[in-house]
Amino acid sequence: NAGVTQTPKFRVLKTGQSMTLLCAQDMNHEYMYWYRQDPGMGLRLIHYSVGEGTTAKGEVPDGYNVSRLKKQNFLLGLESAAPSQTSVYFCASSFGGRTAEAFFGQGTRLTVV
Amino acid sequence: GQQVMQIPQYQHVQEGEDFTTYCNSSTTLSNIQWYKQRPGGHPVFLIQLVKSGEVKKQKRLTFQFGEAKKNSSLHITATQTTDVGTYFCAGLDGGSQGNLIFGKGTKLSVKP
Repeated sequence: NAGVTQTPKFRVLKTGQSMTLLCAQDMNHEYMYWYRQDPGMGLRLIHYSVGEGTTAKGEVPDGYNVSRLKKQNFLLGLESAAPSQTSVYFCASSFGGRTAEAFFGQGTRLTVV
Repeated sequence: GQQVMQIPQYQHVQEGEDFTTYCNSSTTLSNIQWYKQRPGGHPVFLIQLVKSGEVKKQKRLTFQFGEAKKNSSLHITATQTTDVGTYFCAGLDGGSQGNLIFGKGTKLSVKP
């Protein structure tokens, strides 16, 4: 039972570099989310998707882009990394609707130097 | 936009003492969920409350949803060292398409 898998688990980037974080779920969930977690700030929603081919902005979308070309995958892109994007990134998925729990991946620890 | 506020930010208790964390939303919620994150881990779903005034129990944990569906609480009776972690509430706005907003969490430490 893989659940929600995030790739990579750790990454160090230089300022200005780009990268893509991959989230894959094998539960046939409709909804997928990207959060960032910083000390004392809890989980902040970056972008989310309510189905294949759809995306929407969350609380803190600036500096990030996402794509949901396939139902099982949700990609988070950083076009030009900044030190302020140093964080732990969590992907989550759910069946959607108003009674669905979210299943989280193990997280990606990203450091931008 | 929707805001979900959670207090306290930290709580230190002696093993065996009770613990409560509170969650308040600026808007009416369609439901509220609670998650636990162990140190170094990822958030794990605990429970969901949907109905106004709902109370649910899981062993030593009691969850409540306010009558106005704007606040919620999690109470742990007789804490154990295994309860250590950060507890988050997450609200689904009644008017949203799926924007699950988390509170900042309450970090619980338990002294044996």
